[in-house]
Amino acid sequence: QKEVEQDPGPLSVPEGAIVSLNCTYSNSAFQYFMWYRQYSRKGPELLMYTYSSGNKEDGRFTAQVDKSSKYISLFIRDSQPSDSATYLCAIEDTGRRALTFGSGTRLQVQP
Amino acid sequence: KAGVTQTPRYLIKTRGQQVTLSCSPISGHRSVSWYQQTPGQGLQFLFEYFSETQRNKGNFPGRFSGRQFSNSRSEMNVSTLELGDSALYLCASSLGRTEADTQYFGPGTRLTVL
Repeated sequence: QKEVEQDPGPLSVPEGAIVSLNCTYSNSAFQYFMWYRQYSRKGPELLMYTYSSGNKEDGRFTAQVDKSSKYISLFIRDSQPSDSATYLCAIEDTGRRALTFGSGTRLQVQP
Repeated sequence: KAGVTQTPRYLIKTRGQQVTLSCSPISGHRSVSWYQQTPGQGLQFLFEYFSETQRNKGNFPGRFSGRQFSNSRSEMNVSTLELGDSALYLCASSLGRTEADTQYFGPGTRLTVL
């Protein structure tokens, strides 16, 4: 079993839809939770970062962490064609200073 | 502030050769981490350097090595290349003070091994 599981998609939605992306993890030592966005032929770009259970909002993006269920989510409101990319969840455990990534979900927002 | 830069952006090598990739971190960042990204395995951690010392290492064979210079720039070396080493190699920099410091990625070096 992988330490971080993420549905690879692809996920195709119409413009303006609400998108929900999810990851589950197995190691309760994981403390820091991130979402990165990666466009084709580019490096990952940090979108959201949180270290506690609950919600964190930034514009159209909301990150949700449920440590009791070992479940993290990213919601994108009013999705735009420019949101079309691969979304990667990344988790870091205490003391290791190394990110463990999900496999990434490819999102396509249709105009 | 300039981002993380990686050179070269593309490389083609043949099996058995060795290759050196370079990474310049964001100014002021002292930690540099390297990751390998492949379609099959996704993004995997290779190693992390801080103040010229390897501080953390992933599960890769000894053919993969790195170093960091006093100006925090880092190089990664892969010896005796295999076909399976074809990948996007990403470098990320951070302040490196705590685990909570955000890692910022460069655009990557795409290595093709023929």
